[in-house]
Amino acid sequence: EIALTQSPATLSAFPGERATLSCRASQSVNTFLAWYQQKPGQAPRLLIYDASDRAAGIPARFSGSGSGTDFTLTISSLEPDDSAVYYCQQRKNWPLTFGGGTRVEIK
Amino acid sequence: QVQLVESGGGVVQPGGSLRLSCAASEFTFRGYGMHWVRQAPGKGLEWVAFIRDDGKTSYYAHSVLGRFTISRDNSKNMSYLQMNSLRPEDTAVYYCAKDPSGWSGAFDFWGQGSMVTVSS
Repeated sequence: EIALTQSPATLSAFPGERATLSCRASQSVNTFLAWYQQKPGQAPRLLIYDASDRAAGIPARFSGSGSGTDFTLTISSLEPDDSAVYYCQQRKNWPLTFGGGTRVEIK
Repeated sequence: QVQLVESGGGVVQPGGSLRLSCAASEFTFRGYGMHWVRQAPGKGLEWVAFIRDDGKTSYYAHSVLGRFTISRDNSKNMSYLQMNSLRPEDTAVYYCAKDPSGWSGAFDFWGQGSMVTVSS
């Protein structure tokens, strides 16, 4: 089973600042990695798939990068609406696995 | 817009059974794989099960293997999760999620979830 480790656990930043979230896999997942955003009381929403492709309707301030074992989700200029928990997920091998999440707080 | 609506959640005693349903609409259901993902209260996401578009292949998380069964009825645009031998640690919100293809292993649309509580 592929383990995904996300860091930091919590990120606190001001509106307009850049946020960088990390996801590390226990073995290579090539680029079979996705990122999801979950706000309180809501279902998750797909942001990025295959490491760097934005899902439909996702603002350009969200971008993904990486391959192999190290991945990054960047929010170029934080907005108040970006307050949420962000999860990475691999689809290289079954069982599918998620990282533990990074909570983004807007100051 | 894709719609996924879960139903069937509730309170059940340990060792009991429950069947969740997921009603899909606004897309060609038979062309896509379907997943169930759960989230225990205050915890992260855990993938539970997947069934391929044609219903002939399924995969399960180790934690539910042998107890849960995923199925689908393409004539009714429905996906199901039969949960047997339930344990307190199965308590969670269960989400139905659509795969972007027949079986890519990602989730492009999600339902709002159905709460399952396993308690005596």
